[in-house]
Amino acid sequence: SYELTQPPSVSVSPGQTASITCSGDKLGDKYTCWYQQKPGQSPVLLIFQDSQRPSGIPERFSGSNSGNTATLTISGTQAMDEADYYCQAWDSRNAVFGGGTKLTVL
Amino acid sequence: EVQLVQSGAEVKKPGESLKISCKGSGYSFTTYWIGWVRQMPGKGLEWMAIIYPGDFDTRYSPSFQGQVTISVDKSISTAYLQWSSLKASDTAMYYCARTPSITSGYFDYWGQGTLVTVSS
Repeated sequence: SYELTQPPSVSVSPGQTASITCSGDKLGDKYTCWYQQKPGQSPVLLIFQDSQRPSGIPERFSGSNSGNTATLTISGTQAMDEADYYCQAWDSRNAVFGGGTKLTVL
Repeated sequence: EVQLVQSGAEVKKPGESLKISCKGSGYSFTTYWIGWVRQMPGKGLEWMAIIYPGDFDTRYSPSFQGQVTISVDKSISTAYLQWSSLKASDTAMYYCARTPSITSGYFDYWGQGTLVTVSS
């Protein structure tokens, strides 16, 4: 079955840029999306179709996807961005989530 | 306003059956897929199953095939996830979410989650 691999944790200083990767076989041939989940809350869609932001999502969140890796980039990271982040793609009409990355802002 | 409202928390014993629900409103219920996602305590998101209310087309994750049943009642814009015999390992938060497509789509709206606790 298809797998998406994320680093378990990423740390970033406030105001700096955080990058979270998501790797999968030929992932660049698929659309990838990203979700943010804060403790005790439902996931929120951050990025869809590799790089599109839903309305209401700050511009500091951006995405890219090429080759075997999709990347979520958070520019000017804020304390409120501390959360778990998940990538997701579809393979043969099955949804696949990455294992999640805990972003720590310190 | 698009909303997915899930049924309340459940506490069950092993071997019992359960059906949880997800009611959609604020959009055309039959034109979006509704999926279910499991999150075990302290763990990540796992996709379980998905259904298209328009024609009842259904897909299951291989990991959950035969373990749960997804269904929908179009007349009341509600999707369901059910178990015939719960196990302690089914203890988790369950989310429903909608997507416009199961090839290139994204889950743009999520329910608030239903916590299921299975304990003797």
